[in-house]
Amino acid sequence: TQLLEQSPQFLSIQEGENLTVYCNSSSVFSSLQWYRQEPGEGPVLLVTVVTGGEVKKLKRLTFQFGDARKDSSLHITAAQPGDTGLYLCAGEDSNDYKLSFGAGTTVTVRA
Amino acid sequence: GAVVSQHPSRVICKSGTSVKIECRSLDFQATTMFWYRQFPKQSLMLMATSNEGSKATYEQGVEKDKFLINHASLTLSTLTVTSAHPEDSSFYICSAREGLSSYNEQFFGPGTRLTVL
Repeated sequence: TQLLEQSPQFLSIQEGENLTVYCNSSSVFSSLQWYRQEPGEGPVLLVTVVTGGEVKKLKRLTFQFGDARKDSSLHITAAQPGDTGLYLCAGEDSNDYKLSFGAGTTVTVRA
Repeated sequence: GAVVSQHPSRVICKSGTSVKIECRSLDFQATTMFWYRQFPKQSLMLMATSNEGSKATYEQGVEKDKFLINHASLTLSTLTVTSAHPEDSSFYICSAREGLSSYNEQFFGPGTRLTVL
């Protein structure tokens, strides 16, 4: 499996502020996926990015895939307490479709 | 989106017993299913890849005789933890992938919390 570095590990912000989570690797992925996981539950897919340079928006969430398909970022605008959770990035290997997960970013949005 | 279920959601067992966890894709056929393990405060670690009708492939360091995987149909994969010990206590999550295209996504089950006493 390929190594994916995710940062920061923890993020605590006030409601209304913006935040960005980064996911970096030295490897090229066929696609990169972002998930959100609540305690005691499985990860829920937020978005899949496939094309280098791709930008996808999901309401207040903006996802970007690097031109070289090695890195990605998740930006949340005007964060709300409901955005609190563990955010995971995962890169897919084009040969065997295995996902390599980042270590995760625990986001806490204070009201 | 596609739905993946797991059963049971929680299981508590005595040391030395075996536990079977089921993973089902409810509204699609999954050519490939994956099994992950997640310890508290950590990310998901891939244990094995399960392809329908063939033997599972295990990640390095995962004992195939301890974690038996059976992918008997395109909608069902099972993970059996044999002779479970307290160190096997963890959150086990499966995912299912519909096809072989790079545009196919993995959908995750809700997880199974295993506690071995």
